[in-house]
Amino acid sequence: EVRLVESGGDLVQPGGSLRLSCAASGFIFSDSWMTWVRQAPGRGLEWVATINHAGNEIYYLDSVKDRFTISRDNAKNSLYLQMESLRAEDTGLYYCARGFHWFDYWGQGILLTVSS
Amino acid sequence: EIVMTQSPATLSVSPGEGATLSCRASQSINNNLAWYQHKAGQAPRLLIYGASTRATGIPDRFIGSGSGTEFTLAISSLQSEDFAIYYCQHFDGRPPWAFGQGTNVDIK
Repeated sequence: EVRLVESGGDLVQPGGSLRLSCAASGFIFSDSWMTWVRQAPGRGLEWVATINHAGNEIYYLDSVKDRFTISRDNAKNSLYLQMESLRAEDTGLYYCARGFHWFDYWGQGILLTVSS
Repeated sequence: EIVMTQSPATLSVSPGEGATLSCRASQSINNNLAWYQHKAGQAPRLLIYGASTRATGIPDRFIGSGSGTEFTLAISSLQSEDFAIYYCQHFDGRPPWAFGQGTNVDIK
């Protein structure tokens, strides 16, 4: 059974930093593109970042470029999102998902709140 | 960047009836479109990719169609578990990918 479990969500002050993690199981993680998608309160889904299986091809949403870093550790079957200079508009549920073009498995999401 | 627009924002449907959801792209995306179902507190679920190919385990009452800029998700004979928010997402070319704002299918 495919499982994606996010962790690391928290309440952070504006300007702060946080790292989200996603633990993957039930599929060959090292063969898979992985993606982060977020959902602000009361809003729809928003693609954030995508990384290839080797970690050497990466794409970001413009509004997070230079502040967020997506990475992975294939030995640990884990995906990460390092977030710096956090803003109120980064608040939301962050989902880890498998895929590049479309996303066939998703985690339950983890909440990030950016507020003073 | 490509913008995805869904209509209507809300669709009220009686159980057993059909529903038709629309998704429009701001420029041609060929058939590079996916549909997802999302219920509160749950992970989004992939329904359709490539505009019309059902994902594994998706019932045949979900039918995706369209190409270019106009796409449709038809749901025949809605079941109780089908009431949810539905999103379209393009994947034409290279990221950034964009989702539509969603259509909320609720019980009439």
